[in-house]
Amino acid sequence: EDQVTQSPEALRLQEGESSSLNCSYTVSGLRGLFWYRQDPGKGPEFLFTLYSAGEEKEKERLKATLTKKESFLHITAPKPEDSATYLCAVQRLNAGNNRKLIWGLGTSLAVNP
Amino acid sequence: DTEVTQTPKHLVMGMTNKKSLKCEQHMGHRAMYWYKQKAKKPPELMFVYSYEKLSINESVPSRFSPECPNSSLLNLHLHALQPEDSALYLCASSPTGSNEKLFFGSGTQLSVL
Repeated sequence: EDQVTQSPEALRLQEGESSSLNCSYTVSGLRGLFWYRQDPGKGPEFLFTLYSAGEEKEKERLKATLTKKESFLHITAPKPEDSATYLCAVQRLNAGNNRKLIWGLGTSLAVNP
Repeated sequence: DTEVTQTPKHLVMGMTNKKSLKCEQHMGHRAMYWYKQKAKKPPELMFVYSYEKLSINESVPSRFSPECPNSSLLNLHLHALQPEDSALYLCASSPTGSNEKLFFGSGTQLSVL
């Protein structure tokens, strides 16, 4: 069964304390892995797309990496404004050529000043 | 303009009411989506419109009725909802509906009494 698992469920960091969030997946026919950030009461905001193992992407304090079984979102020297829920979603090809997103439950990150 | 605009931001309705949620984008995107999100859960796909035609209906109850009047607008008509339908309803768009990132609106927080 296709599955996307994110860990930890919740993470509390001190400002400047670097860490990593994990997204592991068992999906056949992977077409891409997406990271989104969601603030309370808002819609998810796109961060990165990764398509193949070994790929890396960076944006400010965030860096996403992909292997054949998991992705990591590394946060370097986080600031309080990085506090949010980080969602991972994997896209696979369905029957009928429809692409389906399978979402993880998210990691809730709190960065204390 | 890289925004997806949803109205209203908040909605309270009774189980016998009829209401509509509206979504608008002016990015020239040809795919538009309705998602439902409960607290501490990932977004759950409801409907996809591709080039103004309904392409995916994720077995959503008929009390939810989508409409795509043109390529920039998406509506969700609500009728005879249940309290368990209370959730954040998110609209999203993407350029073609293929393997690409989603642009989400801020959502409508719906409460059904």
